[in-house]
Amino acid sequence: AQSVTQPDIHITVSEGASLELRCNYSYGATPYLFWYVQSPGQGLQLLLKYFSGDTLVQGIKGFEAEFKRSQSSFNLRKPSVHWSDAAEYFCAVGGDYNFGNEKLTFGTGTRLTIIP
Amino acid sequence: GAGVSQTPSNKVTEKGKYVELRCDPISGHTALYWYRQSLGQGPEFLIYFQGTGAADDSGLPNDRFFAVRPEGSVSTLKIQRTERGDSAVYLCACGTSHTGELFFGEGSRLTVL
Repeated sequence: AQSVTQPDIHITVSEGASLELRCNYSYGATPYLFWYVQSPGQGLQLLLKYFSGDTLVQGIKGFEAEFKRSQSSFNLRKPSVHWSDAAEYFCAVGGDYNFGNEKLTFGTGTRLTIIP
Repeated sequence: GAGVSQTPSNKVTEKGKYVELRCDPISGHTALYWYRQSLGQGPEFLIYFQGTGAADDSGLPNDRFFAVRPEGSVSTLKIQRTERGDSAVYLCACGTSHTGELFFGEGSRLTVL
């Protein structure tokens, strides 16, 4: 069965500092990996996704993530955070694409707090 | 509207009651998903529709939960004999096949007293 581990429940970062959120996955075949962000009062929004090819993927809002198969990781990074980045971040894995089923398994999330 | 609409946004009910939660997806998105998000957890898959049919209902926790999508657009999640453990945010998402991106609604927060 597929699973996702986000080891950091809560991270606090100063505005302008760099950010890395950790994600480890378990999946038997080549995974499809995603990062979603959830802000208060808003639905989950896709930041970026990895399907194949270049292991460094760029997303919206200046985020990027690197797929490392040897470490079963897909960490999210941003060189300089902004106060508006404060939110809950979820890593997810999918791969059961029978008939286009994009069923995802989510991690428990990392809550990001930004301090001035 | 342009996004996924879920109603009600909040529902408070008593243990044992019946509840319906509605999802109105983005027009033309054939795939529709229901997820449940408990406090402090990530979303958990419940059921997936492709068109009108439930293609994968392996995430439904028990037979008190049922979902329909009769015309391939709006979907309703139905919960019978609600229990306190059913309290959670129920999320609806839709997508087009094979793009890998799901579009989520803001969710329906269910509280069972």
